[in-house]
Amino acid sequence: DGGITQSPKYLFRKEGQNVTLSCEQNLNHDAMYWYRQDPGQGLRLIYYSQIVNDFQKGDIAEGYSVSREKKESFPLTVTSAQKNPTAFYLCASSSGRLNTEAFFGQGTRLTVV
Amino acid sequence: AQRVTQPEKLLSVFKGAPVELKCNYSYSGSPELFWYVQYSRQRLQLLLRHISRESIKGFTADLNKGETSFHLKKPFAQEEDSAMYYCALSGTISGNTPLVFGKGTRLSVIA
Repeated sequence: DGGITQSPKYLFRKEGQNVTLSCEQNLNHDAMYWYRQDPGQGLRLIYYSQIVNDFQKGDIAEGYSVSREKKESFPLTVTSAQKNPTAFYLCASSSGRLNTEAFFGQGTRLTVV
Repeated sequence: AQRVTQPEKLLSVFKGAPVELKCNYSYSGSPELFWYVQYSRQRLQLLLRHISRESIKGFTADLNKGETSFHLKKPFAQEEDSAMYYCALSGTISGNTPLVFGKGTRLSVIA
């Protein structure tokens, strides 16, 4: 079954802890993205990667970190420096070519307790 | 800078009525524009893209470069159209760039 998979679906974190969200795709896509979705805010770009071992900051990268060691995987770490981490996180991938569709995961809801 | 504006947070229409979801953009180059839809409990998915000039589920969208708009239209709304709709833009000046999304419009179709 091809697609993009995020895990876990729900995640709880204590204040001051780092937590890593998983994103895996088997679509052979070069580009991968992390967005944060808040009510009334739409989707805001956190980080993106257009090729293995390379990534760029998006609009709201502070308090987050990523790695892209494998083409299939693009994990996102929410660090203790992120002031307001409670949100819905969406991972996406695309071929990276112009005008191609981005495929989204089902999302991870992170709650800080 | 790239920016997408969706002025309506919520749009309620009666079944069978026409629908227009507004989208305006700001981009200095030649943009690629998309509409994405998120139905309840489903993942975000592509509805249509401007370059295809296609009609999907009865929806169409025309890129108007003069007005910098990409409004989504459907002549007769159905209950199953109720969802969250996002307009998105991808820039092309420096190669492919990530999608920039508007804040979204929730469409509610009333029976």
